[in-house]
Amino acid sequence: NAGVTQTPKFQVLKTGQSMTLQCAQDMNHEYMSWYRQDPGMGLRLIHYSVGAGITDQGEVPNGYNVSRSTTEDFPLRLLSAAPSQTSVYFCASSPYLTGRTDTQYFGPGTRLTVL
Amino acid sequence: GDSVTQMEGPVTLSEEAFLTINCTYTATGYPSLFWYVQYPGEGLQLLLKATKADDKGSNKGFEATYRKETTSFHLEKGSVQVSDSAVYFCALTSGNTGKLIFGQGTTLQVKP
Repeated sequence: NAGVTQTPKFQVLKTGQSMTLQCAQDMNHEYMSWYRQDPGMGLRLIHYSVGAGITDQGEVPNGYNVSRSTTEDFPLRLLSAAPSQTSVYFCASSPYLTGRTDTQYFGPGTRLTVL
Repeated sequence: GDSVTQMEGPVTLSEEAFLTINCTYTATGYPSLFWYVQYPGEGLQLLLKATKADDKGSNKGFEATYRKETTSFHLEKGSVQVSDSAVYFCALTSGNTGKLIFGQGTTLQVKP
């Protein structure tokens, strides 16, 4: 059981470039989410999904796209990278029963720098 | 909207000292409350949780009690170790969306 995996671990982009952060889980969890972590600001929710084909915006969605074609995968796309998107990105998954989530399991994170 | 407020850090303690990290929340309905821990260079992992008022979560010597009357979920440990040095996040799940709302995190440093 690998849990939640994220690739890459580190990435450096130039302003304006696009890229996809990968996230996969093997626990058959319905709920998946993306957070960014910035110093002194805790973790902020970017996008989330309650199942394949269903996504919704979190607190800071601008500049990011997501899709959920399978239960296992939840990629995060940066459309045109900006220095303000320099951050550490975490993917998480959780069971989702009767409209409530339980413990969320986090991946190891991707450290992204935009120059 | 729902929110979580934690005491600011960093908190620096000597080994075997008593630890309290304060956490208060604002939420509609009946949220579940969590403490997550992040060790250096790693992702977050669940430390403990409580799902209803007066529940006490506990794990690895850490405890927190869900206090609805004071909207608090303070983290305590009787005797900290150097290995407890990490960032601690208080969080709640909001309504039926499943969103996890975090406090800003408190850095704990334990010195030998």
